[in-house]
Amino acid sequence: DVKVTQSSRYLVKRTGEKVFLECVQDMDHENMFWYRQDPGLGLRLIYFSYDVKMKEKGDIPEGYSVSREKKERFSLILESASTNQTSMYLCASTPGGGKNIQYFGAGTRLSVL
Amino acid sequence: GNSVTQMEGPVTLSEEAFLTINCTYTATGYPSLFWYVQYPGEGLQLLLKATKADDKGSNKGFEATYRKETTSFHLEKGSVQVSDSAVYFCAQITQGGSEKLVFGKGTKLTVNP
Repeated sequence: DVKVTQSSRYLVKRTGEKVFLECVQDMDHENMFWYRQDPGLGLRLIYFSYDVKMKEKGDIPEGYSVSREKKERFSLILESASTNQTSMYLCASTPGGGKNIQYFGAGTRLSVL
Repeated sequence: GNSVTQMEGPVTLSEEAFLTINCTYTATGYPSLFWYVQYPGEGLQLLLKATKADDKGSNKGFEATYRKETTSFHLEKGSVQVSDSAVYFCAQITQGGSEKLVFGKGTKLTVNP
């Protein structure tokens, strides 16, 4: 089974802190994605990556950056956390090559106080 | 651009009731269509998919048929169970495209005993 692991289920941070959300997949998938999930808004794509060191902006990249130094790991960075970034963050991966079923992690619920 | 519209929830049913969750899409080209399910406290997981017109996806008693003429992919189940309580997301991906999923906003289903 494909496993996508997000390092924390719950995080509480203060406004202005730098926050790292980590995601690791164990199936050598090419593509990785970061979403945020908010009530009434569904899932919105923040960033995605097709390959190591490759990244592309999604629909709501403002206030976020990402890092993919190794194929299995995709990190989401909040440079200076703000209260409007309180949300559920979901990581996903796909094999690539047209095999486009996305496999999701369990999510990280981030609260910024 | 491509989009997905699904019926707003929440939906509350009694056990053994019939379920329909409507989903329509707009797309350039011929998308693949998906239903994902999110159980409480978990990430999303694929429920079923269809890749071309008139395909029927099915899993765990759920079905959805890809209707090109009505640009729809409605989710149905003949007899729901308490364990089906979850949030359901309709999604599309354009074939040959970037492998980015476009999600609907989600429909929360609660099934009461």
